[in-house]
Amino acid sequence: GAVVSQHPSWVICKSGTSVKIECRSLDFQATTMFWYRQFPKQSLMLMATSNEGSKATYEQGVEKDKFLINHASLTLSTLTVTSAHPEDSSFYICSARDRAMGEQYFGPGTRLTVT
Amino acid sequence: LAKTTQPISMDSYEGQEVNITCSHNNIATNDYITWYQQFPSQGPRFIIQGYKTKVTNEVASLFIPADRKSSTLSLPRVSLSDTAVYYCLVGDRGFGGGFKTIFGAGTRLFVKA
Repeated sequence: GAVVSQHPSWVICKSGTSVKIECRSLDFQATTMFWYRQFPKQSLMLMATSNEGSKATYEQGVEKDKFLINHASLTLSTLTVTSAHPEDSSFYICSARDRAMGEQYFGPGTRLTVT
Repeated sequence: LAKTTQPISMDSYEGQEVNITCSHNNIATNDYITWYQQFPSQGPRFIIQGYKTKVTNEVASLFIPADRKSSTLSLPRVSLSDTAVYYCLVGDRGFGGGFKTIFGAGTRLFVKA
């Protein structure tokens, strides 16, 4: 089946620094990618939707200047958490929609811890 | 986007069949019903998708009545490893891009020995 990878799988950073998370569709092209965050024992919360070659659409309450999303190619989207703070510590999950089939696949997630 | 309602949690024993029902009263004509499974610290994993009647694959069955206002995920003979959160989602399959996938609270299934 289709595979979506994320890198890194976990990262620890200091408060005030920026962290970039990559999301790749390995064997299909994705016109649309989604970024979610998930706190312990809670559901996934959609942060933003990105379409290849255009600006991301952010959900209400998500700061676009803090969570920078770039979807430069049909197989890669990146999420950069700028000036991270401890409250940004969370599990970040991306998903990609197959351009041809419309199916949606999820990455394994990235655990971010800000100290 | 159609809102979904699922039980918050369910308990079962190994070897039993588990049925998780999801309500989606305002499902649209173009909407499909998709179920995902999620283990702690992992991304959701696709289980099954359907539009109407019954769909079966190697891991589950999905029953959808004629009015499509609800659906039931059936897991045959569960094992301890089926302990997870199960999400029911409703939306247009979005060929060519489009709908955003919104997750509800999900159902926490706990399988006991």
